[in-house]
Amino acid sequence: DTGVSQDPRHKITKRGQNVTFRCDPISEHNRLYWYRQTLGQGPEFLTYFQNEAQLEKSRLLSDRFSAERPKGSFSTLEIQRTEQGDSAMYLCASSLAGGAQGTQYFGPGTRLTVL
Amino acid sequence: GQQLNQSPQSMFIQEGEDVSMNCTSSSIFNTWLWYKQEPGEGPVLLIALYKAGELTSNGRLTAQFGITRKDSFLNISASIPSDVGIYFCAGQNINSGNTPLVFGKGTRLSVIA
Repeated sequence: DTGVSQDPRHKITKRGQNVTFRCDPISEHNRLYWYRQTLGQGPEFLTYFQNEAQLEKSRLLSDRFSAERPKGSFSTLEIQRTEQGDSAMYLCASSLAGGAQGTQYFGPGTRLTVL
Repeated sequence: GQQLNQSPQSMFIQEGEDVSMNCTSSSIFNTWLWYKQEPGEGPVLLIALYKAGELTSNGRLTAQFGITRKDSFLNISASIPSDVGIYFCAGQNINSGNTPLVFGKGTRLSVIA
């Protein structure tokens, strides 16, 4: 039984560079979520997919951020022209749609540091 | 937007003591979740609550879904050193289609052996 996995676990980049993160959800889960967590805060919602459809995006998801889930399995989150304020832990979670089965399980996160 | 107030912010306790933390919301949720996060890792689900008034245990952990649907608490009995971490509450409103979780800011627990 594999949980949610994320890659890479850590990324250090220079301001202005593009970065891409990958998330592999629990295999039978059809919903996939991205959250961002900064120091001393709880995770904040960015966007979520049901299968390959992106159903909701938060105001935190600026134009420099794009997320995809092309085949309804893994997802990627890309940040273009990174800024120092993008430094955070990026968390992915997955769930089954509906009721008690909608409980979200999180991956280990990708910690991004923008220099 | 929705906000969760989680308290206390931090706790220092002796090993063997019981711990209580709580979460209140400005709006109603129909699901409350409690997660634990350790440094450099993602949140790990501890307890999920789906009905107002529900009281659920998971080993030494007990959580309750408040009857007003605007609050929840988590108790840890007989704390041990491995309980150290940050505990987050999260609320969700599945029925309204609002599936993203709203998190509190966490309670940082330190256990002194």
